[in-house]
Amino acid sequence: EADIYQTPRYLVIGTGKKITLECSQTMGHDKMYWYQQDPGMELHLIHYSYGVNSTEKGDLSSESTVSRIRTEHFPLTLESARPSHTSQYLCASRGFGRGGYNEQFFGPGTRLTVL
Amino acid sequence: AQTVTQSQPEMSVQEAETVTLSCTYDTSENNYYLFWYKQPPSRQMILVIRQEAYKQQNATENRFSVNFQKAAKSFSLKISDSQLGDTAMYFCAFMKEGGSYIPTFGRGTSLIVHP
Repeated sequence: EADIYQTPRYLVIGTGKKITLECSQTMGHDKMYWYQQDPGMELHLIHYSYGVNSTEKGDLSSESTVSRIRTEHFPLTLESARPSHTSQYLCASRGFGRGGYNEQFFGPGTRLTVL
Repeated sequence: AQTVTQSQPEMSVQEAETVTLSCTYDTSENNYYLFWYKQPPSRQMILVIRQEAYKQQNATENRFSVNFQKAAKSFSLKISDSQLGDTAMYFCAFMKEGGSYIPTFGRGTSLIVHP
């Protein structure tokens, strides 16, 4: 499996709480991504980064923010969680894999429930 | 903008049999990549197979092969000798060459392999 990690794996919190979803990778990849995944729906890109101090919003409107202070770390923060934020959040990085392809590697995901 | 359509929300197959998952896409690009990703239950999404649009030969990876029809914009995945471990969500993805290298995903097909 890929060397990309997400914590926590599961999180249940109340409305209005501030939360940070952690993502780290040990592959030295410059490009990193955050996706939102709901059952039966496409993966929606919410943020991405091309390297340290580079962050961009994706095509899904979101009240979240990201930071990229270190290459290996790309945390996602929700300042005030709402029930509409309930979803699975996938972190990914892009780089060369064993097959020699430039591909995306995905973390295991964080399943967030906001009550 | 590109779109990716997976018309089969759910599929099932008996162990050792062959199953084909369909994917169509819409694009005006000529140079691009197509992917199939596998997401087993509660596990990380991994790349199964990729196809470069400029290659006429269909990609194969062990029991996994694709039928790439560029003119028809079709990219189906064939799994031969299905195994219980093939049970997963399968996502088709499109990525144009150059630019941001951010793929567009379909909604996924849930495949269940029965013993």
